[in-house]
Formats: sequence, structure tokens, C-alpha cells
Amino acid sequence: RKEVEQDPGPFNVPEGATVAFNCTYSNSASQSFFWYRQDCRKEPKLLMSVYSSGNEDGRFTAQLNRASQYISLLIRDSKLSDSATYLCVVKGGTNAGKSTFGDGTTLTVKP
Amino acid sequence: NAGVTQTPKFQVLKTGQSMTLQCAQDMNHEYMSWYRQDPGMGLRLIHYSVGAGITDQGEVPNGYNVSRSTTEDFPLRLLSAAPSQTSVYFCASSSPGHSGGNTEAFFGQGTRLTVV
Repeated sequence: RKEVEQDPGPFNVPEGATVAFNCTYSNSASQSFFWYRQDCRKEPKLLMSVYSSGNEDGRFTAQLNRASQYISLLIRDSKLSDSATYLCVVKGGTNAGKSTFGDGTTLTVKP
Repeated sequence: NAGVTQTPKFQVLKTGQSMTLQCAQDMNHEYMSWYRQDPGMGLRLIHYSVGAGITDQGEVPNGYNVSRSTTEDFPLRLLSAAPSQTSVYFCASSSPGHSGGNTEAFFGQGTRLTVV
């Protein structure tokens, strides 16, 4: 079983749709959680950190459930520019400095 | 604002050749990592370092060596290139955060390596 597993996707949605991505992790000692966005052939860039209390940044909401070892990302009112691959990242715990990435979920938003 | 700088951006090697991918960061980050990303797949950790003089293996370390003589630099050496090492390589750096976690990672722009 992979340390970090994401919805395989791809997700193809119309503009304006709401879409949710899920991610589970196996290392209960993990301390930090992030969602990254990766555009085609580019480096990953931080989208948002994920906190136990949940956090929101505009149309994006991230949630963490430590008991279930589950992370989610919700995108509301999808835009064409949201088309990208979204990577779930888990860090820290017993191996400080080590980051583990999910395989990513590809989102395509269509007009 | 350089951030993380990787060189070269593109490289073609012949099977059996060796080379070093360079990575430098100017943010005084303690943690640095190397990943490879194959088409349609996620990032796989090759090696990482939690500070100068300290390195450890990741998920796919075979065929690669690293060293961390300074905080700023973390070169990745391919000992004898093989076609299976054709990939995009990303270097990243970050800092320790609170309670054993760490802060966001900043990535270099990647090195696209082809081994023929």
C-alpha cells in the first residue's frame, strides 16, 4: 500500500462546478499536510497548507481528519485556469525532512 | 529572488555516462530533496537531506548518489546512466516547522534528462 493515496481521476468538470479531491495517508505520525498544484511540465507549487481546523482560501477549502488519516480539497465555482494536477503531500513525523507525494489527481475544467 | 536553482534544464546522456545535476537554494533551508517524475506519475523521492553532512535514501535511491557539504547545495550524481533513468528531476528545499513537521517545499524548475 502506498504511503499517500489519492483519487486516481481524471476529473473532467464544466466551468462553475464544485469538485472534491480526497487523499489518505498511512503514517499516523505525519505532522504537516499540503496540497500542491502542478501544471503540465512545470514544477509543483504550493496551493495551500492543511490544518486540523480546516482552512479556506477563496474558492478552495482544505480539510484534515487525523483520526481517519484523510485529507480533502474542495474547489468551488471551477475556472478553466484550475485545470492542473493536484498533489497531496504529507511531511514530517518520524522522518523529519521527508515529504511523501501522492500520485496526483488531474482536473480538467471545460467551458 | 532565486529560490531553488537547478542546472541544467535539459540533458541527453548516453548509456553508461555519468553526470551531476546541480541544485542550489538561497533561502537557508535545512531540508533538501531530490525527486524524479515519470510521465503520468507522481513524484518519487530519490534522496533527501536534513542538514549539511546528513543524507538519507528515499524510495528510489539506486543508481544515484548525493552529498550535502553545504546548506546551499545538494547535487545529485548519476553513476552510470541507464535508459530507465530518463525522467524529470526536481530538487526541493524546506525548513523545519513546528512539532516535527516542516514548512512548504519550494521546487526548482526541473531537469529533463534523456538517456539513450
